[in-house]
Amino acid sequence: EPEVTQTPSHQVTQMGQEVILRCVPISNHLYFYWYRQILGQKVEFLVSFYNNEISEKSEIFDDQFSVERPDGSNFTLKIRSTKLEDSAMYFCASTNEGGLAYDNEQFFGPGTRLTVL
Amino acid sequence: QQQVKQSPQSLIVQKGGIPIINCAYENTAFDYFPWYQQFPGKGPALLIAIRPDVSEKKEGRFTISFNKSAKQFSLHIMDSQPGDSATYFCAASSWNTDKLIFGTGTRLQVFP
Repeated sequence: EPEVTQTPSHQVTQMGQEVILRCVPISNHLYFYWYRQILGQKVEFLVSFYNNEISEKSEIFDDQFSVERPDGSNFTLKIRSTKLEDSAMYFCASTNEGGLAYDNEQFFGPGTRLTVL
Repeated sequence: QQQVKQSPQSLIVQKGGIPIINCAYENTAFDYFPWYQQFPGKGPALLIAIRPDVSEKKEGRFTISFNKSAKQFSLHIMDSQPGDSATYFCAASSWNTDKLIFGTGTRLQVFP
């Protein structure tokens, strides 16, 4: 069964450092998302991406964050200068043409746990 | 108004019991209401979803009940099993976005 994969599974970084979280969405999917989950809290939307541009972003997704689809398979989230409060599990998700409007499921990856020291 | 309120925070039932998890929303523009199941160390996985044009949807042992006038929806798990022990999240989305707004989650434990 196709699945969303994410690397690394755990990333430890020092405050102020840049990190890049990587995702490989399901191959025929066209809509891509990043969500985050601070330990013990709810899953929060960060950004959606379609047709090589951001279609929507939350207030969390400030200038320190950026997303990119550098090739036909990867989807990345970059945090330029990490803060302690960026420590969270980051989930990548993808969905088929038409997105939720056509009841297309958002498939989530297993997540990358980011720890900022 | 963008929030989805979920209760209870945790739930313990015996095998065979019927746990019920409730969610409430304010935004009348929401028109898609999925439930996600999350096991430790894994990402959320879609369990079942409903649109507001129906009041109930059943898939296997999982049932969503939807009350549009009360702006509430709930998940019922029939004949619960220890393997159902997980965290369950309700979510909502509106017609003009693919952003999912998640509830705070319910940790379900089913004991043999």
